[in-house]
Amino acid sequence: QQQVKQSPQSLIVQKGGISIINCAYENTAFDYFPWYQQFPGKGPALLIAIRPDVSEKKEGRFTISFNKSAKQFSLHIMDSQPGDSATYFCAASPGSGAGSYQLTFGKGTKLSVIP
Amino acid sequence: DVKVTQSSRYLVKRTGEKVFLECVQDMDHENMFWYRQDPGLGLRLIYFSYDVKMKEKGDIPEGYSVSREKKERFSLILESASTNQTSMYLCASSFTFGSGTRLTVV
Repeated sequence: QQQVKQSPQSLIVQKGGISIINCAYENTAFDYFPWYQQFPGKGPALLIAIRPDVSEKKEGRFTISFNKSAKQFSLHIMDSQPGDSATYFCAASPGSGAGSYQLTFGKGTKLSVIP
Repeated sequence: DVKVTQSSRYLVKRTGEKVFLECVQDMDHENMFWYRQDPGLGLRLIYFSYDVKMKEKGDIPEGYSVSREKKERFSLILESASTNQTSMYLCASSFTFGSGTRLTVV
């Protein structure tokens, strides 16, 4: 049973545009929601993360929007650049207790930013 | 910054071999994880550990075992490698990942 659903599977955006990736979760015990960026041949790198006590978090061109009642969260990349072309994964973890660091991942979105 | 080091970037092993994948972290984290990543399947948890000598099965532990003798080191062991274990293996310490080991079993 997939507990974190991510869409779209792939995304093509023009340089300067906004990239939007969406995720939905089922487990209400999740309390920490990170996004990872992965380039080919590399491990995932933590990009930005949010906890449900806030509805939005912004770091540079990257913003997470969080809707607790809908159990959905999304990543927005403003002014997308060719260097942002990578695979992006959303994830969720309990955030506390013995399983606090155990991540459940979405299947990933391959982003291509074209000049 | 936390550094998670996986000892090999690429490995080629023969079917039936015993394979050791090593992972070391430098931030005194208690929680360490092994995932495998396959196209279309995403990242799947194999095993994890919350403390020295402690291990827990993840979602796909069959064919694997782990060892955590020291806090900074978490090893993944393929007892008898098979071709369906050809994959990218990723170690994580808390929320930080290593660069991965691309294992090919022939």
